[in-house]
Amino acid sequence: SQTIHQWPATLVQPVGSPLSLECTVEGTSNPNLYWYRQAAGRGLQLLFYSIGIGQISSEVPQNLSASRPQDRQFILSSKKLLLSDSGFYLCAWSVGITNEQFFGPGTRLTVL
Amino acid sequence: GQQLNQSPQSMFIQEGEDVSMNCTSSSIFNTWLWYKQEPGEGPVLLIALYKAGELTSNGRLTAQFGITRKDSFLNISASIPSDVGIYFCAGQVGNQFYFGTGTSLTVIP
Repeated sequence: SQTIHQWPATLVQPVGSPLSLECTVEGTSNPNLYWYRQAAGRGLQLLFYSIGIGQISSEVPQNLSASRPQDRQFILSSKKLLLSDSGFYLCAWSVGITNEQFFGPGTRLTVL
Repeated sequence: GQQLNQSPQSMFIQEGEDVSMNCTSSSIFNTWLWYKQEPGEGPVLLIALYKAGELTSNGRLTAQFGITRKDSFLNISASIPSDVGIYFCAGQVGNQFYFGTGTSLTVIP
């Protein structure tokens, strides 16, 4: 069966520090991968999605970036965090045939 | 991105009551999905709908894919305290998923 992992679960970082959040999927090949940010428990904002290794689509221009170095690995990064980057970051995967999307457990990021 | 209008925003109900929430869109979707999210966790997929008019049940949950492919509803029958959470609808087209703003459900024992 498929599982999706995210780490860390929680993170507190100072303004201006770098960020790296990791997401990995097990039990499937060639998944579409997604990064969302959720503020205040509502409203999922799509940040990036990827349909394959090295292929990243950005939905919202901001100081975040994403990379997909391996088929089942998706990384969200920033060189310098802003206060407004605080939120709950969710990774998700889908496979075209079923048209269903499944979420990871999320990372709670607090920027101070 | 495409906008999904989800209503109601929040509901406070007595245990045992039925619940109904819906989503509408100005765009057509290939798939409608319903999720439940509990505090501090990722959304969990409850029901997926693939065809216009499809009615699907999962235990006490029933969801329908609207005939026009622009709307969907979710019903929860005989609510229990563990139904508490935020429920999201989502529409899928291509590689993209578009989410509603969520319905916060509180069940009073």
